Amino acid sequence: DAGITQSPRHKVTETGTPVTLRCHQTENHRYMYWYRQDPGHGLRLIHYSYGVKDTDKGEVSDGYSVSRSKTEDFLLTLESATSSQTSVYFCAISEIGGRGEAFFGQGTRLTVV
Amino acid sequence: RKEVEQDPGPFNVPEGATVAFNCTYSNSASQSFFWYRQDCRKEPKLLMSVYSSGNEDGRFTAQLNRASQYISLLIRDSKLSDSATYLCVVSNAGNMLTFGGGTRLMVKP
Repeated sequence: DAGITQSPRHKVTETGTPVTLRCHQTENHRYMYWYRQDPGHGLRLIHYSYGVKDTDKGEVSDGYSVSRSKTEDFLLTLESATSSQTSVYFCAISEIGGRGEAFFGQGTRLTVV
Repeated sequence: RKEVEQDPGPFNVPEGATVAFNCTYSNSASQSFFWYRQDCRKEPKLLMSVYSSGNEDGRFTAQLNRASQYISLLIRDSKLSDSATYLCVVSNAGNMLTFGGGTRLMVKP
């Protein structure tokens, strides 16, 4: 299995609080992605990174920010969590971007109450 | 219209059956195509890439029709362990993978 870990795996937080999810890889892959998965919507891209300090928005980026200060870490921040951000969040990594296989972390189940 | 569309199913089939899933994509500039498998409450994992000439991996066959913007996955001799959700994935000239909503397969004894 690819060396990719997400933390925390589960989190319950209150509306309006900031939340940061961490994705850590040991594969030295260039590309890193954050997705959310919801019933009826499948996996939707939030943000992705193509290198240290190089990030871009995905389909559902509103309310989220990201940072990548090191190759191995990609952080997803919800500045002020809302109930609509209750979801399962997956981080993925890829060596050659969209042309090749993406490896996923085990997911973070976030509940905003 | 979603960029990648799949029939959500579920497809309920007996062991040993042949089952086919279809997927359509809207972006004619899409360049790479994949099928991923996702087990319940688990992360997606690559099942196979899809090539224009069609490709086979054991009991699994993938086909791509660029003219119709259509991708298919055929599973022969279904096993109980094939029960999962199958995700159709495309990427364009950029580096974003776009996922379909998935098709759920349930193989029954």
